[in-house]
Amino acid sequence: GQQLNQSPQSMFIQEGEDVSMNCTSSSIFNTWLWYKQDPGEGPVLLIALYKAGELTSNGRLTAQFGITRKDSFLNISASIPSDVGIYFCAGHQLSSGSARQLTFGSGTQLTVLP
Amino acid sequence: DGGITQSPKYLFRKEGQNVTLSCEQNLNHDAMYWYRQDPGQGLRLIYYSQIVNDFQKGDIAEGYSVSREKKESFPLTVTSAQKNPTAFYLCASSLFARSNQPQHFGDGTRLSIL
Repeated sequence: GQQLNQSPQSMFIQEGEDVSMNCTSSSIFNTWLWYKQDPGEGPVLLIALYKAGELTSNGRLTAQFGITRKDSFLNISASIPSDVGIYFCAGHQLSSGSARQLTFGSGTQLTVLP
Repeated sequence: DGGITQSPKYLFRKEGQNVTLSCEQNLNHDAMYWYRQDPGQGLRLIYYSQIVNDFQKGDIAEGYSVSREKKESFPLTVTSAQKNPTAFYLCASSLFARSNQPQHFGDGTRLSIL
């Protein structure tokens, strides 16, 4: 399956700073999902987006479904040490397939420095 | 608590041996999935199942087999034909396969070669 282009691959930031990461594709998606994965654990769903232009918040996290339906952004405000982990974007492509398979980005490794 | 339980947490395989990874969910989800995660990469789909007694190959099914005899269970067997089985294996489920419902993940099984 097609991989999403997720960037940056890794980020080192100071505690209290804001963070931005994004995913892009050459194909149209009708769902965008953002997950966080801690070491040795499974990904946990942070935010789900279902409409182009949609902006959704979950605490200090805000994600947007791009107008072109080919990209999505995740912002974390005022980062704290527990934000450390790998953030994945994922999406369902617009298709008539019988099962809606998810396509995943390769992840953004976030490190928060005290 | 509702969720997805994967066992064991760690598994070791000898040459020529088949091993089976367990995945159980009590979320009453119809669809279940198996992914493989290698370091620094996104998730790749091995197999998925939309309903009981039905399953489909994903992108990297060779060397793996599954069964879906019960709605809540979707075990994955890593066969001796899989020459590079060392990876982190994640099981997921979603309410319906033919929808944009998000997938929810278990905590994974780490498989290593002895």
